[in-house]
Amino acid sequence: ETGVTQSPTHLIKTRGQQVTLRCSSQSGHNTVSWYQQALGQGPQFIFQYYREEENGRGNFPPRFSGLQFPNYSSELNVNALELDDSALYLCASSSTGGIDGAGELFFGEGSRLTVL
Amino acid sequence: AQSVSQHNHHVILSEAASLELGCNYSYGGTVNLFWYVQYPGQHLQLLLKYFSGDPLVKGIKGFEAEFIKSKFSFNLRKPSVQWSDTAEYFCAVMVEEYGNKLVFGAGTILRVKS
Repeated sequence: ETGVTQSPTHLIKTRGQQVTLRCSSQSGHNTVSWYQQALGQGPQFIFQYYREEENGRGNFPPRFSGLQFPNYSSELNVNALELDDSALYLCASSSTGGIDGAGELFFGEGSRLTVL
Repeated sequence: AQSVSQHNHHVILSEAASLELGCNYSYGGTVNLFWYVQYPGQHLQLLLKYFSGDPLVKGIKGFEAEFIKSKFSFNLRKPSVQWSDTAEYFCAVMVEEYGNKLVFGAGTILRVKS
């Protein structure tokens, strides 16, 4: 167990809808990263939050947005869902936004989103 | 953009066989390299990492990886696999100047036959 919890574990949405995924980071961690893992592929970086500010973003459109709260938990929001958004969404926490600790990511088990 | 290539998507070995999983990356500057593992039904977890120093890195459960800068490679090895090593293995690279993100390869599914 990593101490990183994600909810919901599974959900089904239809095209055009909006979804919010939630992540509680491991105790003592102030950095949360979100990744999208499509079937048969490796995780792709969406963005990272450090001390409630976005701290890096991957090649994802603006309809992917996020928040980090004072307790370091985080949300990933996706608007105007498309079929290609179907994937496993992984949250990972770490103890610093800097490079030294950034590789020590502790992953949750993911939220599997299906868009019909 | 950085990319990571893993040579084999599926590998099947018998117990006690030796393992080598290939990983190559595309960035020419300073990199940090990682191998993550995902056992069936479990979350991704760090197997080993290379930041600097000795290019031969030892990780958990008898795994090791060698960083060869001239070949842009970071291959994962284990002398003798066990049935419990059945999992998916991901190579990843982090380039500091491009931010604190990991770029993952597509993964290699290893099945060890008992």
